[in-house]
Amino acid sequence: AQKVTQAQTEISVVEKEDVTLDCVYETRDTTYYLFWYKQPPSGELVFLIRRNSFDEQNEISGRYSWNFQKSTSSFNFTITASQVVDSAVYFCALSEARNTDKLIFGTGTRLQVFP
Amino acid sequence: EAGVAQSPRYKIIEKRQSVAFWCNPISGHATLYWYQQILGQGPKLLIQFQNNGVVDDSQLPKDRFSAERLKGVDSTLKIQPAKLEDSAVYLCASSSSDRAKNIQYFGAGTRLSVL
Repeated sequence: AQKVTQAQTEISVVEKEDVTLDCVYETRDTTYYLFWYKQPPSGELVFLIRRNSFDEQNEISGRYSWNFQKSTSSFNFTITASQVVDSAVYFCALSEARNTDKLIFGTGTRLQVFP
Repeated sequence: EAGVAQSPRYKIIEKRQSVAFWCNPISGHATLYWYQQILGQGPKLLIQFQNNGVVDDSQLPKDRFSAERLKGVDSTLKIQPAKLEDSAVYLCASSSSDRAKNIQYFGAGTRLSVL
């Protein structure tokens, strides 16, 4: 069965701190995709990244970085030098190759960055 | 490029009333999704359209929910009659039919409160 677990319900940090959001997934498929979305107070989900299961290279985009480890079924997201504008709910999601359109979301982690 | 448009942004109704939500996907996107996001949870897929055909409606409560995408572009989601537990944000998303780009782009959602 597919499942995404985001154990951290809420995280609070002060601006400029680094913060890591955890994501653990379960799937029986060998081919799958992992995603991170950001949901700011305005409500829309903003796509951040998609990785496929064959690409375990870590990725960096500005202050954002992602660590994908198949051995621990984790796809963690780190924000370096956090800013107030990073305050949002962040969702990790999984889709399997047999149905790439079906996204299974975690319950989200609310990040609050204080000035 | 314009994003996914949804209206209304907010709706308050009493139980047993009916309500309809509208979605206009990103131009050229063949696939359209409706999700339900209950407070504190991740989005859950209700229905998926490919052009004007239904691909997956397995999680749509068909006794009260209906959706259509008559011309393969805009879509409406209707609830009749509404129940208290339908209070949620209803998100619309769209994606390209290119399987190599299975990224879903979301609208800002409609926040429904059923009193």
